[in-house]
Amino acid sequence: GQQVMQIPQYQHVQEGEDFTTYCNSSTTLSNIQWYKQRPGGHPVFLIQLVKSGEVKKQKRLTFQFGEAKKNSSLHITATQTTDVGTYFCAGPVRSNYQLIWGAGTKLIIKP
Amino acid sequence: GAGVSQTPSNKVTEKGKYVELRCDPISGHTALYWYRQSLGQGPEFLIYFQGTGAADDSGLPNDRFFAVRPEGSVSTLKIQRTERGDSAVYLCASSFEPGLNTEAFFGQGTRLTVV
Repeated sequence: GQQVMQIPQYQHVQEGEDFTTYCNSSTTLSNIQWYKQRPGGHPVFLIQLVKSGEVKKQKRLTFQFGEAKKNSSLHITATQTTDVGTYFCAGPVRSNYQLIWGAGTKLIIKP
Repeated sequence: GAGVSQTPSNKVTEKGKYVELRCDPISGHTALYWYRQSLGQGPEFLIYFQGTGAADDSGLPNDRFFAVRPEGSVSTLKIQRTERGDSAVYLCASSFEPGLNTEAFFGQGTRLTVV
């Protein structure tokens, strides 16, 4: 079946360093969504990408959707403690409401 | 309410028992989703409601799981004959309408522990 794979599983960074998570689908996606989940919290919608090659920015966050619409990335510049959490990508299966989620990338700020 | 509300926040039950998990979506949201999240994993789709009807229940793992949304607002996820493998956080989400360009809002989840 369709899978959404996300790497790395964890990323440890010093505060101020950059962070990137990558998402790959086994099939072409009509769109991809990104969510953030703080420790002990629930997923919070960040953004949806729809167009091939699309790039969107939200302050220090940059989201990309690949040309083939099978991969995506989230890059955070100059991480802050408020960025801590797990970042998930999710893509639709069969319809736009049944999302398949990646396993997430946990951003950890080194003390 | 201001957000999606789920009750209880925690539920511990014995193997074999029946449980009900409640979700109160954001007022006016027609689309409602149930997900299950195990530790270290992303949410796993269970069921989607559009209004009162279950538009897609293909994610329910077996016939012990059932969900209803009788008046198109509050939804209840019901699990019969619970098993230890059912232990997870059950998340509910709602959106104004399904599909593209529609943000889904999640509740805090119900942590179910089957002992």
